[in-house]
Amino acid sequence: GAGVSQSPSNKVTEKGKDVELRCDPISGHTALYWYRQSLGQGLEFLIYFQGNSAPDKSGLPSDRFSAERTGGSVSTLTIQRTQQEDSAVYLCASAKTGGPYEQYFGPGTRLTVT
Amino acid sequence: DAKTTQPPSMDCAEGRAANLPCNHSTISGNEYVYWYRQIHSQGPQYIIHGLKNNETNEMASLIITEDRKSSTLILPHATLRDTAVYYCIVRPDSGGYQKVTFGIGTKLQVIP
Repeated sequence: GAGVSQSPSNKVTEKGKDVELRCDPISGHTALYWYRQSLGQGLEFLIYFQGNSAPDKSGLPSDRFSAERTGGSVSTLTIQRTQQEDSAVYLCASAKTGGPYEQYFGPGTRLTVT
Repeated sequence: DAKTTQPPSMDCAEGRAANLPCNHSTISGNEYVYWYRQIHSQGPQYIIHGLKNNETNEMASLIITEDRKSSTLILPHATLRDTAVYYCIVRPDSGGYQKVTFGIGTKLQVIP
């Protein structure tokens, strides 16, 4: 079946502009995660959505970052007033709940802030 | 605040077994050990997971020590396509909040 998809695959933006990154999780997966991966680094947790519960935003690096998940499905990560240090690959993952489960990752969006 | 420690890098000859260690000395009784790998420029891919018994699937084997404080991922016959960063994580089982923290992983280089 279809996996996790993300769009755009690449985004180049000028410093100070806002960007929106989209994630379409696997149908039926109630858990959704956003991570950030800078060049040569591990995965940095950003935010986690689980069903209708309040999201865990503890990983968001600043108030310029926000995320929404509409209808328990599609999620959008928004970065306002982008800075050069925001340049990274942004990865989305989804998972089922109820029992041990694996995360399924999307291909990521490579964001470059010039 | 990753709960696992792994060597930053390892080399393995093509065709030989790759044994990737992971320490998780503070693992709780209800936490599973999961392994993922990330091939260059791709999203991480699930490999295998286990609680206390050894596990095997088409990709790899997972050996967990009896005290569960460490584990080893085994790729029985490494190929060049197995060159990747391998992440070991621990996570609780069913229900509730399941935040996952990835460390920096082990960069495995398979050498021809």
